Amino acid sequence: DAEITQSPRHKITETGRQVTLACHQTWNHNNMFWYRQDLGHGLRLIHYSYGVQDTNKGEVSDGYSVSRSNTEDLPLTLESAASSQTSVYFCASSEHSNYGYTFGSGTRLTVV
Amino acid sequence: DAKTTQPNSMESNEEEPVHLPCNHSTISGTDYIHWYRQLPSQGPEYVIHGLTSNVNNRMASLAIAEDRKSSTLILHRATLRDAAVYYCILRGEASGTYKYIFGTGTRLKVLA
Repeated sequence: DAEITQSPRHKITETGRQVTLACHQTWNHNNMFWYRQDLGHGLRLIHYSYGVQDTNKGEVSDGYSVSRSNTEDLPLTLESAASSQTSVYFCASSEHSNYGYTFGSGTRLTVV
Repeated sequence: DAKTTQPNSMESNEEEPVHLPCNHSTISGTDYIHWYRQLPSQGPEYVIHGLTSNVNNRMASLAIAEDRKSSTLILHRATLRDAAVYYCILRGEASGTYKYIFGTGTRLKVLA
């Protein structure tokens, strides 16, 4: 069965370190998205991609970057982790149409 | 991006119908109305979507006002497993964008 997987599920890192969160989908979806979720803020869009080599900034993109070298993967990199980036991160993908999103199970990141 | 307004929380008794309202007075003619729910410690899950006509699927029904400025998600018989945060989101098609902007949603509590 097709799926979307995020790894790791949990990560603790130190302030200033570079961290990469993985997102891999086997739906062959063109559209992929990264969100973060914090108490009181709901889900906020970080970056998104509509296809290979395409990346776009969302509403809270500062301090994050993504790259899309193939259809299946959209890794999210925190260039220099900060305590304000402690959050739960969700990856999602969707078809190139009005279909809904499929979300991953999330990565809980703690920056100490 | 068009915004939606939902009550912060609602309660329902088990096995009774639940009507979750959403206001979207600035909706454009080509915006679809999408509903997602998020169970505790999980990623959001697609529930239903529609444009103008009422929609039914195995999970829920979506009733859309004639002027499209509001909609209601209907769970016909609430179960304890339906306790979740429900998000109403507008998805714009005219510009070819597929990203969602999530609000804070409605937290549904189901009482046994």
